[in-house]
Amino acid sequence: GEDVEQSLFLSVREGDSSVINCTYTDSSSTYLYWYKQEPGAGLQLLTYIFSNMDMKQDQRLTVLLNKKDKHLSLRIADTQTGDSAIYFCAEWTGGKLIFGQGTELSVKP
Amino acid sequence: SAVISQKPSRDICQRGTSLTIQCQVDSQVTMMFWYRQQPGQSLTLIATANQGSEATYESGFVIDKFPISRPNLTFSTLTVSNMSPEDSSIYLCSGSGQGAAEQYFGPGTRLTVT
Repeated sequence: GEDVEQSLFLSVREGDSSVINCTYTDSSSTYLYWYKQEPGAGLQLLTYIFSNMDMKQDQRLTVLLNKKDKHLSLRIADTQTGDSAIYFCAEWTGGKLIFGQGTELSVKP
Repeated sequence: SAVISQKPSRDICQRGTSLTIQCQVDSQVTMMFWYRQQPGQSLTLIATANQGSEATYESGFVIDKFPISRPNLTFSTLTVSNMSPEDSSIYLCSGSGQGAAEQYFGPGTRLTVT
């Protein structure tokens, strides 16, 4: 079946790197996504990766995909207080997005 | 990228009434979807809005409760019918831009049912 799992909380200090992890079960996923949701706001598409890639970098964001282990990670370099939010991992499979539970990132000054 | 807007942004409704939420995309999109996000939870897909035909509903969601329209490639509506407090959630619309890769979301409609 389709299932996406994330740890619920992550706390880091400002300036450190943050790594948010995600595992998924459906090996036929074509795209994997990271979304950011700030309090009271909708979902912001941060980045996505095609399933035949193993890495994608976009400014402070690095996505790593281990397709064999069905593991996706999002690294945020030089984490700032403005990065505090909930981060959702999602996979595109069967014509729809399946979301993880979300990881709440707390950045302490 | 596609910019998606929703109306209303929030509403407080009485039990037993219905609310229609509008979703407008600034460009033609192939697919549009409606999601529900219950308080403190992740997103659950309600249905895929199909242009010119009936929506495709996920398990646990039915047309009588959540009728959906999609008259063209840039607009869709979701109605939450005969509301109860359990329907209090954020309802989000999404659409795909060029190709299925980019999936964008609207800001959501915060619904409270009293």
